[in-house]
Amino acid sequence: KQEVTQIPAALSVPEGENLVLNCSFTDSAIYNLQWFRQDPGKGLTSLLLIQSSQREQTSGRLNASLDKSSGRSTLYIAASQPGDSATYLCAVLPYSSASKIIFGSGTRLSIRP
Amino acid sequence: DAMVIQNPRYQVTQFGKPVTLSCSQTLNHNVMYWYQQKSSQAPKLLFHYYDKDFNNEADTPDNFQSRRPNTSFCFLDIRSPGLGDAAMYLCATKEVGSGANVLTFGAGSRLTVL
Repeated sequence: KQEVTQIPAALSVPEGENLVLNCSFTDSAIYNLQWFRQDPGKGLTSLLLIQSSQREQTSGRLNASLDKSSGRSTLYIAASQPGDSATYLCAVLPYSSASKIIFGSGTRLSIRP
Repeated sequence: DAMVIQNPRYQVTQFGKPVTLSCSQTLNHNVMYWYQQKSSQAPKLLFHYYDKDFNNEADTPDNFQSRRPNTSFCFLDIRSPGLGDAAMYLCATKEVGSGANVLTFGAGSRLTVL
């Protein structure tokens, strides 16, 4: 059974720092991995999607990497800003079901001005 | 422009009083999902429709039901809400078979049960 874990559950860093959020999954048989951002009381906004054949994706200050063999993904945020404060969730789409996405419980990020 | 729209954004109901949440999409995606998310937890899949095919998760409570009358709309019916059903309900869509497999969410409907 696929499980997705995000550690730490919460992270606080000063503004301007570069930071890395971690996501691990137990079964490497995935189609893709997607990173989302969720602001308090809101829905999820897709940030980056990495297909299983890809190693990384970049969008602005965000860079996501994927290492299927080790079951790990990282989301790198450069030059963090207070507006980056949110919960970041990763989710995998397993081969076992092309319709069902499995989420981690997220990392709550706080950027201190 | 919002592509997955959920209504209402906030719903307050009384214990046992039925509630219907709606989701509409302009993306023409073939799969629509309903997730339940409680505070600081991962979204939990309740069920999904692949076109007209309904797929219920094994641990979805019996008082949760769903309807998808057409491609654009999907409804979540909670027949007899309990205090434990208070949560954020998230609708999402995806086009399976497109290659991209990007999951798109609505803004969510927050349910309060008194």
